Amino acid sequence: ETGVTQSPTHLIKTRGQQVTLRCSSQSGHNTVSWYQQALGQGPQFIFQYYREEENGRGNFPPRFSGLQFPNYSSELNVNALELDDSALYLCASSSRQGAGNTEAFFGQGTRLTVV
Amino acid sequence: AQSVTQLGSHVSVSEGALVLLRCNYSSSVPPYLFWYVQYPNQGLQLLLKYTTGATLVKGINGFEAEFKKSETSFHLTKPSAHMSDAAEYFCAVSMIKAAGNKLTFGGGTRVLVKP
Repeated sequence: ETGVTQSPTHLIKTRGQQVTLRCSSQSGHNTVSWYQQALGQGPQFIFQYYREEENGRGNFPPRFSGLQFPNYSSELNVNALELDDSALYLCASSSRQGAGNTEAFFGQGTRLTVV
Repeated sequence: AQSVTQLGSHVSVSEGALVLLRCNYSSSVPPYLFWYVQYPNQGLQLLLKYTTGATLVKGINGFEAEFKKSETSFHLTKPSAHMSDAAEYFCAVSMIKAAGNKLTFGGGTRVLVKP
């Protein structure tokens, strides 16, 4: 059973550019959530995808968007990058939607630096 | 809306001493409660969770936490700290009736273990 994998592990972008982060969910999981973890802070919920549909969104602007594919992998896209977007982006997958007590399994994250 | 407060952003303990990490939540209804651990340059790993039933929950690596509804608390303890416990710890909640397991995290507590 493979775990949650994210790519790339690190990247550096220039302010105003666009970036795509990728996540492969754990085998058998159909729900993917994305979190932003700024330095020294706890993760903040960005959005969640369940069976290719967005299923809830946190307090992030529309330039943060996502996709989920039929194999349940997911992408996080950020347009018009700002310096404050520099953070660790975490992907978490879980086995079913509709249950707040379902365990979320996290990837190692993508460290994004915006200069 | 729910929120999570972790008292103390840094805790220093001696090896073999008690580890106590405090977590209080604010929610209109009792949520599900989680503790996650994050080692350097890694994602989050679930230590334990409270959903229903017994209020004292045992997790991995010798950690346990007690849900106290009257105090809206879910403090994490370990009787005897090991060097390997040095990490950052996050308390999180998710709402029982919410679709999906969207987590709201506290700001984290970094644990330093002194030999």
